[in-house]
Amino acid sequence: KNEVEQSPQNLTAQEGEFITINCSYSVGISALHWLQQHPGGGIVSLFMLSSGKKKHGRLIATINIQEKHSSLHITASHPRDSAVYICAVEAGSARQLTFGSGTQLTVLP
Amino acid sequence: SAVISQKPSRDICQRGTSLTIQCQVDSQVTMMFWYRQQPGQSLTLIATANQGSEATYESGFVIDKFPISRPNLTFSTLTVSNMSPEDSSIYLCSGHRGQSEAFFGQGTRLTVV
Repeated sequence: KNEVEQSPQNLTAQEGEFITINCSYSVGISALHWLQQHPGGGIVSLFMLSSGKKKHGRLIATINIQEKHSSLHITASHPRDSAVYICAVEAGSARQLTFGSGTQLTVLP
Repeated sequence: SAVISQKPSRDICQRGTSLTIQCQVDSQVTMMFWYRQQPGQSLTLIATANQGSEATYESGFVIDKFPISRPNLTFSTLTVSNMSPEDSSIYLCSGHRGQSEAFFGQGTRLTVV
């Protein structure tokens, strides 16, 4: 069983829709990261969370430490949001990351 | 957030050769991480690189295959040695600064033929 599980694996939405991507993990963590990967392979950090909720523009990330669960929400989705979204957790003092398998999001115009 | 310049961005290499990937950070970072992403898979940690000491490798990865250098706090290299088609992957370097978010290089897309 993977330590980090993401769902859904693939998601297609119409422009303007509200999108939710879920992440569950099975270990104690010090922080959870939401990352965005574009087709070329480069990765951008969206959020780092250890509790509560963070918002940046149309993106919102929440985490429930007791339930070991996090969600990434995208409001008013746009085709430029199309990418792979990856959940990753930090569990060690060295801060290395353990990654989920990613969610391929496609937003259609 | 810090910026990592990673190169090459992609390469096609012959079986049996070696490729060195470089990552240059625009500020000092204590630890850098090297990850591999095989086609259709999630990222997997290869090793953690500290300045002035040998890298710490994860299970399944060995120094002879993936030698790493970390000569200072802003630079690291990963070499993929004696390559085979199974080494075709995206390789990424990453770091943190203080307690901040992780930042990543642009990735190296390697194809071994």
